[in-house]
Amino acid sequence: SQQGEEDPQALSIQEGENATMNCSYKTSINNLQWYRQNSGRGLVHLILIRSNEREKHSGRLRVTLDTSKKSSSLLITASRAADTASYFCATADTGRRALTFGSGTRLQVQP
Amino acid sequence: DAGVIQSPRHEVTEMGQEVTLRCKPISGHNSLFWYRQTMMRGLELLIYFNNNVPIDDSGMPEDRFSAKMPNASFSTLKIQPSEPRDSAVYFCASSPSGGGVTEAFFGQGTRLTVV
Repeated sequence: SQQGEEDPQALSIQEGENATMNCSYKTSINNLQWYRQNSGRGLVHLILIRSNEREKHSGRLRVTLDTSKKSSSLLITASRAADTASYFCATADTGRRALTFGSGTRLQVQP
Repeated sequence: DAGVIQSPRHEVTEMGQEVTLRCKPISGHNSLFWYRQTMMRGLELLIYFNNNVPIDDSGMPEDRFSAKMPNASFSTLKIQPSEPRDSAVYFCASSPSGGGVTEAFFGQGTRLTVV
């Protein structure tokens, strides 16, 4: 079963704008990860944030984690057309060593 | 490394036929995962191996599905007999440790169509 729900399901923005995606989950976690999936391709890991971290940066990516609210957000700054893809959050639940994926957000960046 | 390699990339089969999907994980990774992706259900974990041993197969839909990992460099997912509702993209992923601890590396997937 899916752990997380992502919001919004779809997002369309102009190149140069920021894109924010949110993820909610239900259980206790060790870490939360974000993945990108281009159409017809496999998933690619973007960033991992541990349960004791609140914020993490990687290039144009910024991830926040609020374990009290069981939620995370992914911010992509200065978006590019190449960022067009689906983005998934995945949780590493305590006691389980396999990832559980959310439903994903489809991001369209218009050039 | 070439990454996780799955074969075939596409498979079209008739209902009732046996289907075998193959996966070669990244060398040195000791965890392997099979996921299924559909529009309706998203990404579902089917089974997880650690050091070639099945650890969690609670996601396997029914007895028609079986998975093996005879050695550290090869795994198969078999569906027998196949049904139209099995149509999906099947992903294999590997991880240097439990995928929940570190990142998982995904293959390109096998798109299965059962007619």
